[in-house]
Amino acid sequence: QVQLVESGGGVVQPGRSLRLSCAASGFTFRSYGMHWVRQAPGKGLEWVAVISYDGSSKYYADSVKGRLTISRDNSKNTLYLQMNSLRAEDTAVYYCAKAPAIAHYMDVWGKGTTVTVSS
Amino acid sequence: QSVLTQPPSVSAAPGQKVTLSCSGSSSNIGKNYVSWYQQLPGSAPKLLIYDNSKRPPGIPARFSGSKSGTSATLAITGLQTGDEADYYCATWDASLSGGVFGGGTKLTVL
Repeated sequence: QVQLVESGGGVVQPGRSLRLSCAASGFTFRSYGMHWVRQAPGKGLEWVAVISYDGSSKYYADSVKGRLTISRDNSKNTLYLQMNSLRAEDTAVYYCAKAPAIAHYMDVWGKGTTVTVSS
Repeated sequence: QSVLTQPPSVSAAPGQKVTLSCSGSSSNIGKNYVSWYQQLPGSAPKLLIYDNSKRPPGIPARFSGSKSGTSATLAITGLQTGDEADYYCATWDASLSGGVFGGGTKLTVL
């Protein structure tokens, strides 16, 4: 079955870096766009970034532009989120989600990985 | 503050019908398809409605979506206690060149 499994979350100090991964299975990963969406504790969903099926197009929320970088390795069926210069406000559960294309809905979601930025 | 506006909460009795609204602008809902997501307590979001009004396989016909101009609506009929969840609308914003979510509506089934 279609499955997305996030990993790489943890507790990190402000200003440090972290890389999240999202392992995909059960579908042809290289054919679909992929999103990262986050949810701060007790808050709503916030869209973070999206990447096209081939990695040629990427878009970011203003709140993360220049600090977070989305990428993918289609040979490994894996999506990544490189998180640099982390801030307290980046504390959230991070979900990866599959999409038919960049500007489209998210039809399958992972269970999420938690990132806590704290000194 | 979210780009898409949703009421923070709504409540209704079991068996009743409820409608959840989502208001946007010409650069987002006015230009693109709307999707809706259900997030049960402690769980990841799940796609309920896509392309304004289509249901993925396995989503009951009790859930329906519509769009008019710069607003969208999710309707749920025959409410069940298991429908208690947070509901989010989402779309693409052409001006921001990014995805946008509503702030979410917490549905309580009394």
